[in-house]
Order: sequence, then C-alpha cells, then structure tokens
Amino acid sequence: EPEVTQTPSHQVTQMGQEVILRCVPISNHLYFYWYRQILGQKVEFLVSFYNNEISEKSEIFDDQFSVERPDGSNFTLKIRSTKLEDSAMYFCASSEVGEQYFGPGTRLTVT
Amino acid sequence: DAKTTQPTSMDCAEGRAANLPCNHSTISGNEYVYWYRQIHSQGPQYIIHGLKNNETNEMASLIITEDRKSSTLILPHATLRDTAVYYCIVRVAGGINDYKLSFGAGTTVTVRA
Repeated sequence: EPEVTQTPSHQVTQMGQEVILRCVPISNHLYFYWYRQILGQKVEFLVSFYNNEISEKSEIFDDQFSVERPDGSNFTLKIRSTKLEDSAMYFCASSEVGEQYFGPGTRLTVT
Repeated sequence: DAKTTQPTSMDCAEGRAANLPCNHSTISGNEYVYWYRQIHSQGPQYIIHGLKNNETNEMASLIITEDRKSSTLILPHATLRDTAVYYCIVRVAGGINDYKLSFGAGTTVTVRA
C-alpha cells in the first residue's frame, strides 16, 4: 500500500541553524501539506501546496518557513533560523482529493 | 469550518464495539464529517468520512444523524491496537483552499483487555 515517507525521523539542531525536512508524498497525489505538533498539544496546520505554489498557510508559517517541491517526488519544509519553540513533530501529508494521508513525522529538537 | 465537540476520554473493552460520539451542531450543508486517529506520536491516520449517509469501511462505521448535527464512529470489535486519540473533523471538501484539517483535542480511547 502506498504511503507517505519522511526523513529524517529525528533531527537535532542548534538554535539559529537551518533545517530541511523531507517528505515523499504518495505518487499520484496532487495536494501536499505540512502540519506540526508540539509535545502534548494539538496537531496544527502549517501550509498547503498545490500546482507548485502555496495555496494556504497559517499564521505560524512566517518568513522563517518555506516549502518546495524540488523534483517530481520530494516535498520539503525549510526552517531558516530555528528557534527553541520550533521543537515539535512535523508531519507531511498528501491527498488526491478528500482524505489526507500522513507520514510518520520528523521529530525536530532545537537546542 | 464548523467546530466539533468530543468527550475527552473513554474506555472500552477489547472485543466489544466502541462508539465514539461527536457533536457538530453548526455544520453547513457542504461540510463533511471526517474521522482520523493518532496512535501515540505517529502521524494521524484517516479512518472514514461522510456527508449525510451512513458509511462503512474495513476499519469502522460512521453514523450521521438525520439533522447532521452529530455523528458516531463505531469500531465494531475494538482491539488493544485501537488505543489512540480519535479526532472528529468537519470541513468542506472541494476547493483548493478548503483542504486543510483543523484538529481539536479529540477523544483519548483506551481499549482494555
């Protein structure tokens, strides 16, 4: 069964460093998303991406964040200068229409 | 998107049916009811969705009241692996900008042996 994959599973970085989180969505899906979940809190929407452009973003997704689909298979989330409060699980999701399928997540720890 | 109300937690016995309620009294005519679950810290997993008719798949059944103001997710034979946080989400399906999911706190379901 096709699934969304994410790498790395765990990323530790120092405050101020740039990180890139990678996702491989399900191959025939057209819509891509990033969500995050701070430990003990709700899953929060960050951004959606369709047709090579951002279709919607939340107030969390500020200028420090960017997304890219560099080739036909990968979908990346870049955080330019990480802050302590960026520590969270980051989930990628993709959909064809309707239901979204989530990856296993990347745990980002900013020290 | 319409807001949903779910119980904070519930227990159920292994092998028995688990009935998870959700209230969505402000749902609009073009909004669907979606159910997802999250096992420990894994990514949310899609379970089922519906508009107004009852739906069933290999994982669960979804019963939506006639006025659409509430619904019930039924796990027919709960197993220990069904222990998870279950989210009821109401959203419009259609239109690029309406595809985001807004997660609440969900219901923490604990299946006991």
